[in-house]
Amino acid sequence: GIQVEQSPPDLILQEGANSTLRCNFSDSVNNLQWFHQNPWGQLINLFYIPSGTKQNGRLSATTVATERYSLLYISSSQTTDSGVYFCAVRSNDYKLSFGAGTTVTVRA
Amino acid sequence: KAGVTQTPRYLIKTRGQQVTLSCSPISGHRSVSWYQQTPGQGLQFLFEYFSETQRNKGNFPGRFSGRQFSNSRSEMNVSTLELGDSALYLCASSLGGSGTEQFFGPGTRLTVL
Repeated sequence: GIQVEQSPPDLILQEGANSTLRCNFSDSVNNLQWFHQNPWGQLINLFYIPSGTKQNGRLSATTVATERYSLLYISSSQTTDSGVYFCAVRSNDYKLSFGAGTTVTVRA
Repeated sequence: KAGVTQTPRYLIKTRGQQVTLSCSPISGHRSVSWYQQTPGQGLQFLFEYFSETQRNKGNFPGRFSGRQFSNSRSEMNVSTLELGDSALYLCASSLGGSGTEQFFGPGTRLTVL
């Protein structure tokens, strides 16, 4: 199956700082999503981005499918951005393969 | 439009029992997938159903089974529960194509004593 690696595993930020999370994957995909897991466990959709660039408020994402990586940018971080961020990819086998996640802690 | 719903939200069982979890997809979605999340193994794929047919299955023992009904609602069953089955079980729905966006429910947290 497709291997997904996320880096860094942990990120500690001061409120207001910018950061970049990376996701590398081992094969071509037709679906790539970024999620934020809330404290109760639900996965919140951030981006559906198999290729290209998207922005949503302070968050943006870029996927370079030919080079098999995706980046999630958090700008002007807030304490509410804390949590675990997951990258997940899918090819033609109908299953999402998840990375191990990046735990983000934003300090006031 | 209502999101993905899962019932029950919390469940406590003892070893050897069986459990059934339910998932109702977003209206119009025909694909339902199930995932298990544990601290040690992360998020792992269990199975995926589309129009009542299982299209893919993860590497889990036969104690884990599922089904999908004609209204796209899905259930998963775990028989002969083991302590290691304690986990957050997440259900996701999508329109059905392999490239379509997945939307997750709130999960069922299962504790096996």
